[in-house]
Amino acid sequence: QVQLQESGPGLVNPAGTLSLTCTISGDSIISKNWWSWVRQSPEKGPEWIGELYHGGNTNYNPSFQSRVTMSVDKSKNQFSLRLSSVTAADTAVYYCARGPHVTLFGVATDVFDIWGQGTMVTVSS
Amino acid sequence: EIVLTQSPATLSLSPGERATLSCRASQSVTNNLAWYQQKPGQAPKLLIYAASNRAPGIPARFSGSGSGTDFTLTISSLEPEDFAVYYCQQRYNWPLLTFGGGTKVEIK
Repeated sequence: QVQLQESGPGLVNPAGTLSLTCTISGDSIISKNWWSWVRQSPEKGPEWIGELYHGGNTNYNPSFQSRVTMSVDKSKNQFSLRLSSVTAADTAVYYCARGPHVTLFGVATDVFDIWGQGTMVTVSS
Repeated sequence: EIVLTQSPATLSLSPGERATLSCRASQSVTNNLAWYQQKPGQAPKLLIYAASNRAPGIPARFSGSGSGTDFTLTISSLEPEDFAVYYCQQRYNWPLLTFGGGTKVEIK
């Protein structure tokens, strides 16, 4: 059973850097899968932040392009998110997820099939 | 950026009734559309991928249809556990991936 678990500070100062880690169990970071970060502000729909592959390939949502960095730690089976210059607008629940680029019943599709439970991050002084 | 507009915002129904949720894309996404269910305090759960394919373990009462710009999620007979928020998601213009604003299915 594949499980993802987010970890990191729940409170970040304005203008600071948000740093989160996702630990994977039941799958390998070096499998064929891509891995993503998705966030959700209160009462809003999810927002895709970006994706990465264990080989170092990354794709970011243009809305975050100048502030975001994602990386992989193969030795720990983890991947991470760094979001700089945060403001109150970055307050949200942050999820790590497997995907997109998954294959379900032989169909290659761009969806998220496994999600972490999410971690609430508040930007405030 | 492709915008997904979901309607209605809220759907008030009773258990056993049929639910019909709509997702409209601002331009064609062919069949690159998925549906998720989200309950309070939980992560979204994949229901439907490629517009009409049920994800592993999803009951047959959930079905998806549509192509191009207009898509529908149908729940044939609502069970108590189906009252939740539903989101559509697309990734046609790679790499940008977007979600809709959601439809809340509440108990009438």
